[in-house]
Amino acid sequence: DVKVTQSSRYLVKRTGEKVFLECVQDMDHENMFWYRQDPGLGLRLIYFSYDVKMKEKGDIPEGYSVSREKKERFSLILESASTNQTSMYLCASSLGTGGVETQYFGPGTRLLVL
Amino acid sequence: AQSVSQHNHHVILSEAASLELGCNYSYGGTVNLFWYVQYPGQHLQLLLKYFSGDPLVKGIKGFEAEFIKSKFSFNLRKPSVQWSDTAEYFCAVNGYRGAQKLVFGQGTRLTINP
Repeated sequence: DVKVTQSSRYLVKRTGEKVFLECVQDMDHENMFWYRQDPGLGLRLIYFSYDVKMKEKGDIPEGYSVSREKKERFSLILESASTNQTSMYLCASSLGTGGVETQYFGPGTRLLVL
Repeated sequence: AQSVSQHNHHVILSEAASLELGCNYSYGGTVNLFWYVQYPGQHLQLLLKYFSGDPLVKGIKGFEAEFIKSKFSFNLRKPSVQWSDTAEYFCAVNGYRGAQKLVFGQGTRLTINP
C-alpha cells in the first residue's frame, strides 16, 4: 500500500511565523502535490513537483513556497503565516506522467494561524 | 482555464435510496475524470476514474459514473446507499494528456440516515 505521511495533524502558529509542513511518500512516486482544502471550495492546488528539485506553481501559490531535495519528501513553506492561510493542507503523490495515475493523499495537516 | 462544478453541496438520503451526484466540467479537449471520497476521519481516496473506452465506469463499493461528453458531465451513481457511504465526494478533471494537475470541484457532503 502506498503511504503518504504528513509531519503534523494539527498545528497552531502566530501571524508572521515561518511554517514548515513536511510530506513523505514511500512508493518512489515521481509526482508530489500540495493542496489546501477549505469548506465550499474543495481542494485547490498550491504547488506540485514532478521530479527532485523541480516545481511548478498551482492555482494558488501566493504566500507559499516548496522544496523537494529528495524524491520521497516534499515540503510546503509559509514564509510569513497569515490568518487567511488557516486551512487544511493535503499532500499527495502519484506515479508517472500519463495523466491518469491515481493521486494518493496523506491524512492532512490542520493549520490554525492566530 | 478548467473548472469543475458540483451542484449539490449537501445531500441527505435514507439507507437504500438511490444516489446521483452531479459533476460538470468546462474543458473542450480530451479529459481524464475522477471521483474521490473522504470518509470521516480518513484520507481522501480514489473511488473511480475514466480516461478512455467505455463511458460507464465502475468503482469501489458499488459506485459507478457515466461520462457524457456532449453534456460535459461525469455524474456519480449508486443504486442503493448504505450508512457507511456517509462522506464527502469530490469530482476532479485532468484536461492535459501527460500532465498531472487535477482541478477539483467544491465537494458534495453526503449524509445517509439509518
